[in-house]
Amino acid sequence: DTGVSQNPRHKITKRGQNVTFRCDPISEHNRLYWYRQTLGQGPEFLTYFQNEAQLEKSRLLSDRFSAERPKGSFSTLEIQRTEQGDSAMYLCASSPGRGFTDTQYFGPGTRLTVL
Amino acid sequence: AQKVTQAQTEISVVEKEDVTLDCVYETRDTTYYLFWYKQPPSGELVFLIRRNSFDEQNEISGRYSWNFQKSTSSFNFTITASQVVDSAVYFCALSEAMEYGNKLVFGAGTILRVKS
Repeated sequence: DTGVSQNPRHKITKRGQNVTFRCDPISEHNRLYWYRQTLGQGPEFLTYFQNEAQLEKSRLLSDRFSAERPKGSFSTLEIQRTEQGDSAMYLCASSPGRGFTDTQYFGPGTRLTVL
Repeated sequence: AQKVTQAQTEISVVEKEDVTLDCVYETRDTTYYLFWYKQPPSGELVFLIRRNSFDEQNEISGRYSWNFQKSTSSFNFTITASQVVDSAVYFCALSEAMEYGNKLVFGAGTILRVKS
């Protein structure tokens, strides 16, 4: 049973460039979450999908950020016109969708560095 | 809003010592869930335990044990006979209900260093 996978693991980009990250959840998990983690802090929620529907978005998710989950499988998170403040670890998690609160399983993350 | 406080920023112990990581939370929900995750240097958050607010029984899993006290809003984590492989950042998290699902609210984490 494979876990959550994320690609790329590391991304270095220049300010103003667009970047896209991919997350493949655990098979048959219908809930998918994105979190952002900055150095020395715990992860902070960004957005949540139930199947292909994006149901929740944090105020942290500015209009430069967009997330999709076509067909309810993998998800992508795109950041347009990156800023140095976007440098962080972007974590994806999935959960089975049993009950209102089920356990979220996390991927290894994508570490973004904006120069 | 929910809040999780992990007051210990960093703890250093020598192998085989017992160590307790503190977690205090704030919530207005009557039903909620608490979690502990481990983040080794590789970066992946590893799930350790999930408890609901109605179950105050302490839990033991091998060298790990958890003490949930609703009266003090605490959910502390003890590692018995620590090992070098326990070195990691440990996060306590609290579920927060949104309109269509739930999210996790994390504390800032406690860095545990176990020296041989």
